[in-house]
Amino acid sequence: EPEVTQTPSHQVTQMGQEVILRCVPISNHLYFYWYRQILGQKVEFLVSFYNNEISEKSEIFDDQFSVERPDGSNFTLKIRSTKLEDSAMYFCASSGSGSSAGELFFGEGSRLTVL
Amino acid sequence: DQQVKQNSPSLSVQEGRISILNCDYTNSMFDYFLWYKKYPAEGPTFLISISSIKDKNEDGRFTVFLNKSAKHLSLHIVPSQPGDSAVYFCAASGQGGGATNKLIFGTGTLLAVQP
Repeated sequence: EPEVTQTPSHQVTQMGQEVILRCVPISNHLYFYWYRQILGQKVEFLVSFYNNEISEKSEIFDDQFSVERPDGSNFTLKIRSTKLEDSAMYFCASSGSGSSAGELFFGEGSRLTVL
Repeated sequence: DQQVKQNSPSLSVQEGRISILNCDYTNSMFDYFLWYKKYPAEGPTFLISISSIKDKNEDGRFTVFLNKSAKHLSLHIVPSQPGDSAVYFCAASGQGGGATNKLIFGTGTLLAVQP
């Protein structure tokens, strides 16, 4: 069964460092997302991406965050200068079109720990 | 701003009995609702969805009921199995749940099915 894959599964970084989280969405999907879950809290929307541009972003997704689809298969989330409060599980998701468009398929997550 | 609320953080049910997980929402613009299941160290897995034009959707052991006037939905699992033990998230979106519409998640309910 096709799945969304994410790397790394866990990354530890120092505050102020840049981090890139990588995702390979399901191959025929057209819509891509990043969500995050801070420990003990709910899953929060960060950004959605379609047709090589951001279609919507939350207020969490400030200038320190960026997304890119550099090569037609990978979908990356970059955090330019990490803060302690960026520590969370980051989930990539993708969805198809038509009636299944609202059903997101999530990866297993990348745990980011900022020290 | 809790637009989607799951007021029960946990639920314990005996194997074979019915599990009922509840979710309330406040935004009347939501018109597409989903339930996701999440195991520890994994991403959320889509279970079942319902459009606001329906009041019930059934898929095997899982049934979702929607009461628009009460802004309430519930997930019924019958019969419950030990493998159903996980955190269940309710999620909602607007504009028919189309792609690029962000999902707003509830805080989750931890279901424990006792053998």
